[in-house]
Amino acid sequence: GNSVTQMEGPVTLSEEAFLTINCTYTATGYPSLFWYVQYPGEGLQLLLKATKADDKGSNKGFEATYRKETTSFHLEKGSVQVSDSAVYFCALRGYSTLTFGKGTMLLVSP
Amino acid sequence: DTEVTQTPKHLVMGMTNKKSLKCEQHMGHRAMYWYKQKAKKPPELMFVYSYEKLSINESVPSRFSPECPNSSLLNLHLHALQPEDSALYLCASSPFSGYEQYFGPGTRLTVT
Repeated sequence: GNSVTQMEGPVTLSEEAFLTINCTYTATGYPSLFWYVQYPGEGLQLLLKATKADDKGSNKGFEATYRKETTSFHLEKGSVQVSDSAVYFCALRGYSTLTFGKGTMLLVSP
Repeated sequence: DTEVTQTPKHLVMGMTNKKSLKCEQHMGHRAMYWYKQKAKKPPELMFVYSYEKLSINESVPSRFSPECPNSSLLNLHLHALQPEDSALYLCASSPFSGYEQYFGPGTRLTVT
């Protein structure tokens, strides 16, 4: 079956530091891949997506590239802000449902 | 507009109460979803509606009863819940089943 593995958190960074959150997946075929972000007390927001190999999704300074050869979709940001503190979920699209990773909490301090 | 709305924002109910959660979207999406999320966990899929018909029920107890009155509305009827049902209940929609999903802000449910 489909599965998503994310790095354990929390990830603690200072403002303006570089961010990487690792995500690898197991799936049949070439699923669409997503990053969702959940701020405290809120629902999930779609952050970015990629639908085929070598696609790069980007939004709000965040980027992730769909790497078929390593089955990965790592999230990166060049300079994080305190407002980026949230839980980040990597997900893949199965036939009609999403499979989520366990989530990675990011804490950014001033 | 990629907004999914949910009401109420918070709900406290006793184990003998009957209550309903409401979800609405006006993006013309034809698939809608209910999820349950416990603290520090990813969302767990409960139900999927596609073209207003229930297409997936993830073995959810019968004390949760979904309803899709029209293509914009999704309800979750609650009856005789248990304290372990306390969680954040999230609604989502997508253009069609299997496409990227857009989530609402959730209803924080506490069962006493």
